Amino acid sequence: RKEVEQDPGPFNVPEGATVAFNCTYSNSASQSFFWYRQDCRKEPKLLMSVYSSGNEDGRFTAQLNRASQYISLLIRDSKLSDSATYLCVVTMFSGGYNKLIFGAGTRLAVHP
Amino acid sequence: DVKVTQSSRYLVKRTGEKVFLECVQDMDHENMFWYRQDPGLGLRLIYFSYDVKMKEKGDIPEGYSVSREKKERFSLILESASTNQTSMYLCASSLSTGYGSGELFFGEGSRLTVL
Repeated sequence: RKEVEQDPGPFNVPEGATVAFNCTYSNSASQSFFWYRQDCRKEPKLLMSVYSSGNEDGRFTAQLNRASQYISLLIRDSKLSDSATYLCVVTMFSGGYNKLIFGAGTRLAVHP
Repeated sequence: DVKVTQSSRYLVKRTGEKVFLECVQDMDHENMFWYRQDPGLGLRLIYFSYDVKMKEKGDIPEGYSVSREKKERFSLILESASTNQTSMYLCASSLSTGYGSGELFFGEGSRLTVL
């Protein structure tokens, strides 16, 4: 089983739609959680951290469910510019270092 | 803005060649990382470094080595390139190693093809 699993998609949605991605992680000792965004042929960039209480940044809402070991990303009012691959990232403290484990990503395509 | 620069965007090499991938960051970050990214597998950590002349193996170090002689520069070396090392290689840097640190700054990537 992969340490971090995501539905690869693609999710094809019209502009204005609400779309949600889930990500599950296998290690209950995981401590921190993030969503990264990667545009086509570009490098990944941090989108937002995921806090236990849930957090919102404009049209983006991230939530964490430790009991079920999954995190989610909700995008409201989708824009064409939201088309990208969204990477779920989980950290685990091991051997004195914070190890980041990346999911393979979920691809989102927003169409007019 | 943090800038992570990788020396080559596209490389084509032959099996058995020695390959150097260079990465430079300009924000005085202590931590630097080399990942490879393959479809369906996500980013996998090859090596990382938390200080000059220090290196630690990641999840897939076999066939690779690294060098960090200066704080701003982290090099990935393929001693004898093989076709299964055809991939996108991403260098990253970060400031903090502490709990909760999660922001990596990536370079644009080096797409290596080994024939």
